[in-house]
Amino acid sequence: QKEVEQNSGPLSVPEGAIASLNCTYSDRGSQSFFWYRQYSGKSPELIMFIYSNGDKEDGRFTAQLNKASQYVSLLIRDSQPSDSATYLCAVNRRGSTLGRLYFGRGTQLTVWP
Amino acid sequence: GAGVSQSPRYKVAKRGQDVALRCDPISGHVSLFWYQQALGQGPEFLTYFQNEAQLDKSGLPSDRFFAERPEGSVSTLKIQRTQQEDSAVYLCASSLAPGGETQYFGPGTRLLVL
Repeated sequence: QKEVEQNSGPLSVPEGAIASLNCTYSDRGSQSFFWYRQYSGKSPELIMFIYSNGDKEDGRFTAQLNKASQYVSLLIRDSQPSDSATYLCAVNRRGSTLGRLYFGRGTQLTVWP
Repeated sequence: GAGVSQSPRYKVAKRGQDVALRCDPISGHVSLFWYQQALGQGPEFLTYFQNEAQLDKSGLPSDRFFAERPEGSVSTLKIQRTQQEDSAVYLCASSLAPGGETQYFGPGTRLLVL
């Protein structure tokens, strides 16, 4: 079982819709959870992080964490074509080197006008 | 610029050649990470430096891979006797704090081994 699992998609939504991206992780001791956006041919860009159960909102983005279910999600409201990218979920792991992140393979999102 | 820079951006090597990839982290960032990203996959951890100390190299796939950060700033990832399976994008990330999880990535070096 991989440390971090994501549905690779592709996920396709119309402009203005809510895009929902999901991620599960295997280590119950994980404490830190990150969402990165990666445009094709570019490097990952940090967009959200969350440490506590519940929701965290930043503009059109909301991260949701449920540690009991080992599940983290990212909601993008009012999706725009410029949101079309691959979204990478990353988590730390209890006992591993501080700062070492484990990434999922990413979910490809397409927002069509 | 204020971001992480990497060079070269693209490298084509013949199988068996040695390559050296450079990373310039954000000035003052203590932590430096190297990741390998294969096509269609997420980044995979290779190694971690805190200042000049290499604290974790457990992700290096073989003893052909070697990394250094001698003065605690610029880092070099060296791959000896490259193989086709080494073809990937090599990403460098830096973070302000020791073991910082808020990491800023460079543009990557795309390595193609023929």
